[in-house]
Amino acid sequence: DTGVSQNPRHKITKRGQNVTFRCDPISEHNRLYWYRQTLGQGPEFLTYFQNEAQLEKSRLLSDRFSAERPKGSFSTLEIQRTEQGDSAMYLCASSLGTGDGNQPQHFGDGTRLSIL
Amino acid sequence: LAKTTQPISMDSYEGQEVNITCSHNNIATNDYITWYQQFPSQGPRFIIQGYKTKVTNEVASLFIPADRKSSTLSLPRVSLSDTAVYYCLVGGLNTGGFKTIFGAGTRLFVKA
Repeated sequence: DTGVSQNPRHKITKRGQNVTFRCDPISEHNRLYWYRQTLGQGPEFLTYFQNEAQLEKSRLLSDRFSAERPKGSFSTLEIQRTEQGDSAMYLCASSLGTGDGNQPQHFGDGTRLSIL
Repeated sequence: LAKTTQPISMDSYEGQEVNITCSHNNIATNDYITWYQQFPSQGPRFIIQGYKTKVTNEVASLFIPADRKSSTLSLPRVSLSDTAVYYCLVGGLNTGGFKTIFGAGTRLFVKA
């Protein structure tokens, strides 16, 4: 399967713990995006990378959240000191960067985070 | 930011054509219109994208009027497996940075 891969698929943790999710994009895609989705809502944009550079961050991305893409390939999203409100599906997407920037995004199946 | 408005839900029967309309009155000149499909516990799947007029692929058609303030996703002859949430997106990456917003989507129920 050459699609976007996310691990783990599910994560259950206690409030206050740190969690880290991984995303492996489609190999030739240079753009990578993170979204958060809660039940009954559409995905909310969190952040975006072009290669290894983090170019855009939503105000939803509080200082407890950090995302990296160290070599321009896979990416990690870390949440420190988790809170109940962090319970959601975290989605990763990737796209091929072109001049007009409007290539469709390809999504992984997400990591579902549950905070106890 | 261009905000989208879609019906919350729609019902249809197998074999019918389904048209889902999305309003985006504040669409910007550089914005594209993209539709995604999402099943429970899965990520959204790209369906179709367009800028103006009509776009057709193997699964759907997208109709965009000249003023681009709305768009209509047309699904021909739906089946039970088309039951899903459909999202209309307006935006993308342009000179203002990354600005794409998912709305709450349209829940399509296809009945036998």
